[in-house]
Amino acid sequence: DAKTTQPTSMDCAEGRAANLPCNHSTISGNEYVYWYRQIHSQGPQYIIHGLKNNETNEMASLIITEDRKSSTLILPHATLRDTAVYYCIARGDNYGQNFVFGPGTRLSVLP
Amino acid sequence: DTAVSQTPKYLVTQMGNDKSIKCEQNLGHDTMYWYKQDSKKFLKIMFSYNNKELIINETVPNRFSPKSPDKAHLNLHINSLELGDSAVYFCASSPGTGIEKLFFGSGTQLSVL
Repeated sequence: DAKTTQPTSMDCAEGRAANLPCNHSTISGNEYVYWYRQIHSQGPQYIIHGLKNNETNEMASLIITEDRKSSTLILPHATLRDTAVYYCIARGDNYGQNFVFGPGTRLSVLP
Repeated sequence: DTAVSQTPKYLVTQMGNDKSIKCEQNLGHDTMYWYKQDSKKFLKIMFSYNNKELIINETVPNRFSPKSPDKAHLNLHINSLELGDSAVYFCASSPGTGIEKLFFGSGTQLSVL
């Protein structure tokens, strides 16, 4: 699986959009980009995933660059409850492949 | 209904003891996992099970053994507990179709004294 790099931490004002970047320059053609988050003391929570096209669901939007070497997770209107560690993972679609969690980005949403 | 539930939430025990953590999922998923999150907060996979077959074992000491009585359960048994086993252990499940979404339990905080 391709390695991903994310900033260690970010701040965002409540009500504003939170844009969390992720670099995955060695991603291969069959690897999807997944985002999970972990709110303090809870298990990680799936947010969104995508291959090439931008994706949107009720939680967030995922923007993947055309060359697929980087992506951005967008929380359109961050709330205090979005304060968490956000993990970007590149994983192939073959059955049995691992999800490798890195250190992630610690997002603090400030009032 | 909680999708992935694990018990107990907290487990405090002495070195050398044997303990188990239970996990159940009601999502009808085919694959279940155990992850360990250490004090530095890194999440590392320990095991995954699909249809009662171990498909991943990431250099975990053989003191740790997963037991799956059926598709909905994957319990973690730990023998001869050591101080370094103190961590938060998360159970997870996924459909097992290739393009996966992991669903995690709320974790078991294990403290070995």
